[in-house]
This record gives sequence, structure tokens and C-alpha cells, in this order.
Amino acid sequence: QVQLQESGPGLVKPSETLSLTCTVSGGSFTDYYWSWIRQPAGKGLEWIGRIYTSGTSNYKSSLESRVSMSVDTSKNQVSLRLTSVTAADTAVYYCARADILRASPFDSWGQGTLVTVSS
Amino acid sequence: EVVMTQSPATLSVSPGERVSLSCRASQSVSSNLAWYQQKPGQAPRLLIYDASTRATGIPARFSGSGSGTEFALTISSLQSEDFAVYYCQQYNNWWTFGQGTKVEIK
Repeated sequence: QVQLQESGPGLVKPSETLSLTCTVSGGSFTDYYWSWIRQPAGKGLEWIGRIYTSGTSNYKSSLESRVSMSVDTSKNQVSLRLTSVTAADTAVYYCARADILRASPFDSWGQGTLVTVSS
Repeated sequence: EVVMTQSPATLSVSPGERVSLSCRASQSVSSNLAWYQQKPGQAPRLLIYDASTRATGIPARFSGSGSGTEFALTISSLQSEDFAVYYCQQYNNWWTFGQGTKVEIK
């Protein structure tokens, strides 16, 4: 059974860069798109972007200028970078997978990691 | 961006009751619609995809319907473990979520 595990600093200063990693184990890494989703406390879910193992990525338009994703197939890891963070970027960040063969929802999620933006 | 609108924001129900949650898309998403359940401190769990197909291990009391822009999630007889927040999500054009419906104990 696939497991996704997010990791990274829980506290980031304003104007700095948020960096998170998602490690995938127990399942195929190449048959899926890997996405990042975030959720501010008490609020809804926001898709940030996705990446494929080829390195091809797509981002939500409103975040595109600050977001980048990368993949390390040797470690089954995908990474998220979000630059120039503000308090509005404080959220639980999840990684999740979606099938590449067709339009698909997210069938597996990590447990999420809380990132707080504060000085 | 496809905007997903859920109603109501909160539902107060008693165990054993039948409940229906609504989700509307700002443009047609065909049947590319999923429902998730989220409990406090947990990641969302996929319940329904393709508007009406239950995900693996999801009890039969959960059912989905609709296509195009109007969708519904029905729980036929609410169990104690079903009190949670439910989100709809379209995956026809990238991915966007509704704002959620909280199902709480009456």
C-alpha cells in the first residue's frame, strides 16, 4: 500500500522560501502525477500544482510566479518550493497522487505537514 | 478556474438520518467530480469519483449522483463515524475544491 510522507521546516520567516519534500513508498512512482495541496486552519483545500516523474510541472495560475516543483526519481521524492512567503501561506501542506492515464482525483494523500509563516 | 460551490455550509443531523449534500460547478465538468471526507487532524479521504463510483472500501451508504454542473452526495443512514467535513472536487480542468459542508450532530 502506497504511503506518502511530507517533511520540512514547520516555521518559515516572512519573505523567505518554504521548502517541503514528499517521499513516496510502497507503490509505483511513475504511474502518477504528484500534487501539492494546502489547507489553512479551518478553511478549504487549494491545489498548488503537480509534477510528473519526467519533471513536467503545472501550477495554479495565481501561485505560478512563486512556486516550483522538482522530482528525484532515485529517492521517489517530489519537492515544493514557495518563495516570498507571507502569513497567508500558513497552512497544512499535503502531497497527493492522481493517475496519469485519465482525468483523476487524488486517491492517496500524505498526512500533511503544518507550515507556519512567522518572524 | 472552475469554481465549486457547496451547500449548505453546515448540516445538523441525527444518527440514522438520510442526508444529501449539494455541489455546483461554475461550468460543466462532465462526470469528473469527486467527493472527499475529512475528519479533524486527518487528510481528506476519497469517497466517490466519476460522480457516482465509490472508492475502494467505501460503504454502500455513500452514493453520488449528477453530471455537468450539478452534483449530490447522499448518505443513506448517517453513522457516528460519518460526522465530518465533506468536499467536492472537480478534476476536469486541473483540480478545484468546494468550500466544504460540515455534517454535525444535531
